Amino acid sequence: GAVVSQHPSRVICKSGTSVKIECRSLDFQATTMFWYRQFPKQSLMLMATSNEGSKATYEQGVEKDKFLINHASLTLSTLTVTSAHPEDSSFYICSARDPGGLNIQYFGAGTRLSVL
Amino acid sequence: AQSVSQHNHHVILSEAASLELGCNYSYGGTVNLFWYVQYPGQHLQLLLKYFSGDPLVKGIKGFEAEFIKSKFSFNLRKPSVQWSDTAEYFCAVNAPGQAGTALIFGKGTTLSVSS
Repeated sequence: GAVVSQHPSRVICKSGTSVKIECRSLDFQATTMFWYRQFPKQSLMLMATSNEGSKATYEQGVEKDKFLINHASLTLSTLTVTSAHPEDSSFYICSARDPGGLNIQYFGAGTRLSVL
Repeated sequence: AQSVSQHNHHVILSEAASLELGCNYSYGGTVNLFWYVQYPGQHLQLLLKYFSGDPLVKGIKGFEAEFIKSKFSFNLRKPSVQWSDTAEYFCAVNAPGQAGTALIFGKGTTLSVSS
């Protein structure tokens, strides 16, 4: 099956610094990728839809200047948390849409971000 | 707006017991329905999906789910659980025909199976 790699799996940073998370589709090209955020014992909440070669579409309430998304190639999307604060600590998960047109998503393993 | 409701937050079963996890969605149009599983320390994996056709769908590892349109439900079942089924289970929905539409997830159900 299709594999999505997410890196890093865990990051700890100081308040005010920026953190970049990478999401790669390893064996297929993904024109559409998604970024989710998961709070403890909560569901995955969609943050944004990332489309290759165009600007990401952000969900209501998600600050696009804080969560920068870049989808510069068909196999890589990045999420940068700028000027991170403790309230940004969370589990971030990316997914890539099936390239064959099926409405299926393949998920990365997630990134645990802890902001001190 | 679409939403997904999972009724059971935490289910505890003994091995060989039968499992049914409830999932209801709210959306008036045609939907695609999914169940994902997340084993401890691992990424989300697709258990099964419903797009159209037979409302009883079979997935991996002996799981099945039934789409009941009149009840807006897509409950997950397994006749006999194993210890290795211990995981977090998420029901999800999206609307087909909308290119790139993301999934709307339920809050998840934690299944703990004791041996």
